[in-house]
Amino acid sequence: DVKVTQSSRYLVKRTGEKVFLECVQDMDHENMFWYRQDPGLGLRLIYFSYDVKMKEKGDIPEGYSVSREKKERFSLILESASTNQTSMYLCASSPIAGRGEQYFGPGTRLTVT
Amino acid sequence: TQLLEQSPQFLSIQEGENLTVYCNSSSVFSSLQWYRQEPGEGPVLLVTVVTGGEVKKLKRLTFQFGDARKDSSLHITAAQPGDTGLYLCAGSFNDYKLSFGAGTTVTVRA
Repeated sequence: DVKVTQSSRYLVKRTGEKVFLECVQDMDHENMFWYRQDPGLGLRLIYFSYDVKMKEKGDIPEGYSVSREKKERFSLILESASTNQTSMYLCASSPIAGRGEQYFGPGTRLTVT
Repeated sequence: TQLLEQSPQFLSIQEGENLTVYCNSSSVFSSLQWYRQEPGEGPVLLVTVVTGGEVKKLKRLTFQFGDARKDSSLHITAAQPGDTGLYLCAGSFNDYKLSFGAGTTVTVRA
């Protein structure tokens, strides 16, 4: 079974703090994704990566950056957290030769106060 | 604006009843996935459909892809409380990105 793990299930940070969210997958997938999920808005893509050190902006990249130094690990960075970044953050991975299926981690519920 | 529109947004039914969730778009997808998400967890993949008109069954769940590959439906027969969750459809355009619908929250009362 594909396993995607995220470093924290719940996180509380203060406005202005730098926040790191870590994601690790164990299936040697080339593609990795970061989404945020808010009620009524579905999943919105923040950034994705199709190879080590490669990244592309998704639909809502503002206020975020990412890092992929190793194939299995994809990090999301909030440079200066703001209250409007309070959300559920989901990491996913997929194989390059798949039909689009993505495999998700359990999510990190981030609250910025 | 959501590329994929799901309806209804909320559905509450009694155990044993049937339900259908719809996923519609004006875009043609190369494949479409359905996911179920439980509170506080990540979405779990249920099925992928790729051929227009395709029907797939997963126990009491039946998934259908429209002939034109623009829409899909999920039908649950004799729903059980364990079917409670957020159902998400997601479409792919032959690349590795997915466009998600906003989801349908299903509650099955015992």
